[in-house]
Amino acid sequence: AQKITQTQPGMFVQEKEAVTLDCTYDTSDQSYGLFWYKQPSSGEMIFLIYQGSYDEQNATEGRYSLNFQKARKSANLVISASQLGDSAMYFCAIRAGGTSYGKLTFGQGTILTVHP
Amino acid sequence: DTGVSQDPRHKITKRGQNVTFRCDPISEHNRLYWYRQTLGQGPEFLTYFQNEAQLEKSRLLSDRFSAERPKGSFSTLEIQRTEQGDSAMYLCASSNSGQTEQFFGPGTRLTVL
Repeated sequence: AQKITQTQPGMFVQEKEAVTLDCTYDTSDQSYGLFWYKQPSSGEMIFLIYQGSYDEQNATEGRYSLNFQKARKSANLVISASQLGDSAMYFCAIRAGGTSYGKLTFGQGTILTVHP
Repeated sequence: DTGVSQDPRHKITKRGQNVTFRCDPISEHNRLYWYRQTLGQGPEFLTYFQNEAQLEKSRLLSDRFSAERPKGSFSTLEIQRTEQGDSAMYLCASSNSGQTEQFFGPGTRLTVL
């Protein structure tokens, strides 16, 4: 079984500053994928970034980067230059196995609030 | 490309009634997933289809829940004899071969009175 732990129920950041959202995972699979999704108050889940367990480089997508530390089983999301529109719930998720399909197991989420 | 659509967006029902939700995936996506999300929690996996075949079901999917994807396009999720504990957001997602991410719909919020 897979498990995601997000220990920060809420985070606050000033606009234009960087913020790190923590995520640790547990899996017995050697091959897996890690995801971050954003859920604004409208409810729709928006894909942000993906990291494969065998990827040597940390994933980056625009202002989002994933700080992947395999030995520590952590996959923290870093948002640079925060914007007011970044205020939302953020979920870390894992998909076990080396395929591109299969269920995602999500953490409990972190609410991010960006202050002007 | 239109996104994943779900209907209805909101459903209020009385305990004991049956409800059915529909999900239309992104065109030509062969994989379709159902998740359930309760307030303050992350989504929990319910079931997964590849084309019309239901390949995996969570133990959360009790015998009151049934999902179908008869022609490998849209899917329906039916809950029979609803209970107050079924109140949640029901999310549908789709993906295609070779894609890593799943694309989510806006969800159907169910309230059981």
